[in-house]
Amino acid sequence: AQTVTQSQPEMSVQEAETVTLSCTYDTSESDYYLFWYKQPPSRQMILVIRQEAYKQQNATENRFSVNFQKAAKSFSLKISDSQLGDAAMYFCAYRSAEGNDMRFGAGTRLTVKP
Amino acid sequence: DSGVTQTPKHLITATGQRVTLRCSPRSGDLSVYWYQQSLDQGLQFLIQYYNGEERAKGNILERFSAQQFPDLHSELNLSSLELGDSALYFCASSVGGQPTYEQYFGPGTRLTVT
Repeated sequence: AQTVTQSQPEMSVQEAETVTLSCTYDTSESDYYLFWYKQPPSRQMILVIRQEAYKQQNATENRFSVNFQKAAKSFSLKISDSQLGDAAMYFCAYRSAEGNDMRFGAGTRLTVKP
Repeated sequence: DSGVTQTPKHLITATGQRVTLRCSPRSGDLSVYWYQQSLDQGLQFLIQYYNGEERAKGNILERFSAQQFPDLHSELNLSSLELGDSALYFCASSVGGQPTYEQYFGPGTRLTVT
């Protein structure tokens, strides 16, 4: 079964600085999707960025970018120019191209210091 | 606002009782997913419906059941409730039923079992 591991329960970053959140996953499949979701104190799950495994190019969305290393099964999220509003729980998730269940990591709580 | 609505926002009930959680997907979305977020188990996929039919099943207990109605809204029924069922229950929706489609999450229903 596919598993997703986020080894950093908590991270902090200074406002305007850059922070990288780590995620590794275990799978025997070659085609899948990876996601980063943000969960602020409101508890709403918000999609931050997604990556298709067949794409070699790393996905970017404004200040958010990923470093996707397929061979290493690593999918880290980089947040540039951190803002106070970035403070939240961040979840890494895996979704097989064959099935519809989504596996989530345990989450990383990001604190942004002014 | 994702466009996915869930009612009620909060629910407090006693052990052994039965509750129904309701979800209305975004306009035009045919697929609905249910997730459970608890302190013990983290975020877990429960079940998916597509256009009224069950499409995928995850870690859903036998005491739980779901359905999707002709107007595409969905209900998650939880019965014989236990203290461990206390959690945040999310509904998400997507346009299609395949993994390639992005899921949009509702605000969640917080269930407390006393």
